[in-house]
Amino acid sequence: GAVVSQHPSWVICKSGTSVKIECRSLDFQATTMFWYRQFPKQSLMLMATSNEGSKATYEQGVEKDKFLINHASLTLSTLTVTSAHPEDSSFYICSAPGQGLGYQETQYFGPGTRLLVL
Amino acid sequence: AQKVTQAQTEISVVEKEDVTLDCVYETRDTTYYLFWYKQPPSGELVFLIRRNSFDEQNEISGRYSWNFQKSTSSFNFTITASQVVDSAVYFCALSEPLYNQGGKLIFGQGTELSVKP
Repeated sequence: GAVVSQHPSWVICKSGTSVKIECRSLDFQATTMFWYRQFPKQSLMLMATSNEGSKATYEQGVEKDKFLINHASLTLSTLTVTSAHPEDSSFYICSAPGQGLGYQETQYFGPGTRLLVL
Repeated sequence: AQKVTQAQTEISVVEKEDVTLDCVYETRDTTYYLFWYKQPPSGELVFLIRRNSFDEQNEISGRYSWNFQKSTSSFNFTITASQVVDSAVYFCALSEPLYNQGGKLIFGQGTELSVKP
């Protein structure tokens, strides 16, 4: 249990285009999901908390109009990078807390999406 | 404020050596959780262990062991008889309970472990 998938795993796009990344909890429901960003040789930084049925909560310094988050169902959250620029090139990874006693306080991560903006 | 420090940026060992990865954390909360994750070159984060602040019992899982000491705010990770497959970046992380901060993780800077044959 507690498997999280992401799609796509790799995306290359031109500057100015928008890119959508999907995060799915495959065998459990997640009312909350988290989006992190990781630059090469750096740690993971939380971007935002995705909440099913309500607005996402963004961390300080993250532009909510640039990184649109939609948590449309209990198993799907999407991150859209709007008008992507080369500095948005990064590794984007989502997570969801497990379900059930003993699993709820553990975050399970998707495999990540590598974004390269040319 | 919460903070996690992994002072060792890179460690290189020869296969079969034991290696300890250090983690020091800061928090003002009495209830919190500590984690270790492994990130191999593929990028996916692999969950290794979770410890809550009320459980200081050390844990061993195969070649892995963890030493949690609240008195020094440390949660160190030891790999015994290291193998090449252990080569990865290891992250220590801290979170508050779901009912408080929603479970978001604060990560340390990571330690890149290289195990040479």
